[in-house]
Amino acid sequence: AQKVTQAQTEISVVEKEDVTLDCVYETRDTTYYLFWYKQPPSGELVFLIRRNSFDEQNEISGRYSWNFQKSTSSFNFTITASQVVDSAVYFCALLTQGGSEKLVFGKGTKLTVNP
Amino acid sequence: GAVVSQHPSRVICKSGTSVKIECRSLDFQATTMFWYRQFPKQSLMLMATSNEGSKATYEQGVEKDKFLINHASLTLSTLTVTSAHPEDSSFYICSAAEGGRPGWVTDTQYFGPGTRLTVL
Repeated sequence: AQKVTQAQTEISVVEKEDVTLDCVYETRDTTYYLFWYKQPPSGELVFLIRRNSFDEQNEISGRYSWNFQKSTSSFNFTITASQVVDSAVYFCALLTQGGSEKLVFGKGTKLTVNP
Repeated sequence: GAVVSQHPSRVICKSGTSVKIECRSLDFQATTMFWYRQFPKQSLMLMATSNEGSKATYEQGVEKDKFLINHASLTLSTLTVTSAHPEDSSFYICSAAEGGRPGWVTDTQYFGPGTRLTVL
């Protein structure tokens, strides 16, 4: 069965601090896809990144970076120099090709960036 | 690109009435659309998978007669909550994926802004 665990329910930081959101996944499939979505207070889920299981390269996009480690089944997300606008709930999700082909979400991590 | 719209964004209705929510992919054709439900401070729960031109596939525990899904075109899917009751009040979110073939979705899902349903 597929499962995504986001152990951090809520995180609070002060602006300009770096913050890392953890994501651990479980799957027996060798081909799978990992995602991060951001859900601001408005409710809309914003796609941030997609990573397939064969590409372990870390990725950086502006202040955002992602660390994919197959050895520990983790796909962590770091925000550098956080800003108030980063305040949102962040969801990590898993999609497996050989499984149900459904997006399995973690429970989300609520990030609050205080000025 | 990859914009998904949802209408209405908010609806308040009386118990017993039916409510229709539209989900549109604005700049791409969506072979598959998904409907989720989200309770306050919780994650998204998949309700059903909708493929264009075929019947929707419902998740276990989701009443197909209560939540009617129609995917009439590659850019439009609708969710109708029939005879709504207060317990149906929730945040409903749709997503759309281009997909290679119906039922085989490995493409990124893009989400609509959601519809907040309140049943009095």
